[in-house]
Amino acid sequence: EPEVTQTPSHQVTQMGQEVILRCVPISNHLYFYWYRQILGQKVEFLVSFYNNEISEKSEIFDDQFSVERPDGSNFTLKIRSTKLEDSAMYFCASSGQERQTYNEQFFGPGTRLTVL
Amino acid sequence: QKEVEQDPGPLSVPEGAIVSLNCTYSNSAFQYFMWYRQYSRKGPELLMYTYSSGNKEDGRFTAQVDKSSKYISLFIRDSQPSDSATYLCAMTLSNSGYALNFGKGTSLLVTP
Repeated sequence: EPEVTQTPSHQVTQMGQEVILRCVPISNHLYFYWYRQILGQKVEFLVSFYNNEISEKSEIFDDQFSVERPDGSNFTLKIRSTKLEDSAMYFCASSGQERQTYNEQFFGPGTRLTVL
Repeated sequence: QKEVEQDPGPLSVPEGAIVSLNCTYSNSAFQYFMWYRQYSRKGPELLMYTYSSGNKEDGRFTAQVDKSSKYISLFIRDSQPSDSATYLCAMTLSNSGYALNFGKGTSLLVTP
């Protein structure tokens, strides 16, 4: 069964450093998303991406964040200068395939980001 | 006012019990509703997807939506220890790849 994959599973970085989180969405899906979950809190939407551009973003997704689809399979989230409060689990999701609704979002296993 | 409210539990039930999980929401513009299951330190797994008021059944799971009361439920019949997880409700405005708004999740423990 197709699934969303994410690398790395755990990333440790120093405050102020840049990190890139990588995702391979389900093949043929059209919409791609990033969410985050701070420990003990709810899953929060960051950004959605469709047709090679951002379609929606939350107030969390400020200038420190960017997304890219560098090729036909990868989808990345870059945090330019990490802060302690960026420590969270980051989930990639994808949705949208012929005969399926765009709202059935399938999540990857997540990347745990720890900022020291 | 939080948009999506969900009792965090924990909820503990014996194996075989019927489980009822609920969410309320404040934004009447939400049209599409989902239930996800999340095991510890894993990604959310889509269980059920509904968009109309009423019931939708899939195996041991039944999703119920009452848009007039802004209330959704997930029922699990014949609960199993493997159902022990956190259950997240989520909802969105439109059928066009919009952001999901999640509840905080209800922790469920099914004891043998």
